Amino acid sequence: SQQGEEDPQALSIQEGENATMNCSYKTSINNLQWYRQNSGRGLVHLILIRSNEREKHSGRLRVTLDTSKKSSSLLITASRAADTASYFCATDPKDYKLSFGAGTTVTVRA
Amino acid sequence: EPEVTQTPSHQVTQMGQEVILRCVPISNHLYFYWYRQILGQKVEFLVSFYNNEISEKSEIFDDQFSVERPDGSNFTLKIRSTKLEDSAMYFCASSEQGLETQYFGPGTRLLVL
Repeated sequence: SQQGEEDPQALSIQEGENATMNCSYKTSINNLQWYRQNSGRGLVHLILIRSNEREKHSGRLRVTLDTSKKSSSLLITASRAADTASYFCATDPKDYKLSFGAGTTVTVRA
Repeated sequence: EPEVTQTPSHQVTQMGQEVILRCVPISNHLYFYWYRQILGQKVEFLVSFYNNEISEKSEIFDDQFSVERPDGSNFTLKIRSTKLEDSAMYFCASSEQGLETQYFGPGTRLLVL
């Protein structure tokens, strides 16, 4: 399977702390995307990192990609209550369909 | 900012009935997709569509499913005879090109009774 798998399954942090979650996948990819989903809502695109990139930033988000280890990480710095959501990585190995993992549920406590 | 829209937001139907889920992709996008998420489970790919034809479909997308772009703006998913297990959130997505960022709509929650 091409699916990304996130780790940990759940994460609870205090507001202001950083949150780090990881994604592993099984075969080579074109790019890897991170999405956020608030409970029962749609998927919000956060960031896309291409297979030839190692690190990317967007606001308080930092994504790394290690293709040799087939893994990616998402770091959210200075977390806020509004960051409470599920976070998914999605890979598209050689075609246009995205394969999603089960997600990491992040709870930011005030 | 342009966004993908979906209607209806919720649909309740009886088993065996036909449903049509509607999506309006972002206007300059060329690739369109449907995904579904059964409650508590992963988001699963159903089908991708480009140049007025299906480019890829999953094993979930059997003969009961079909997609159409009836005009220049809408993209629809039809389920011909719904089953209980079709109950899920259905997401439409679009991308400007293939292998690029896919932007998702807010979803249609389908409940089959």
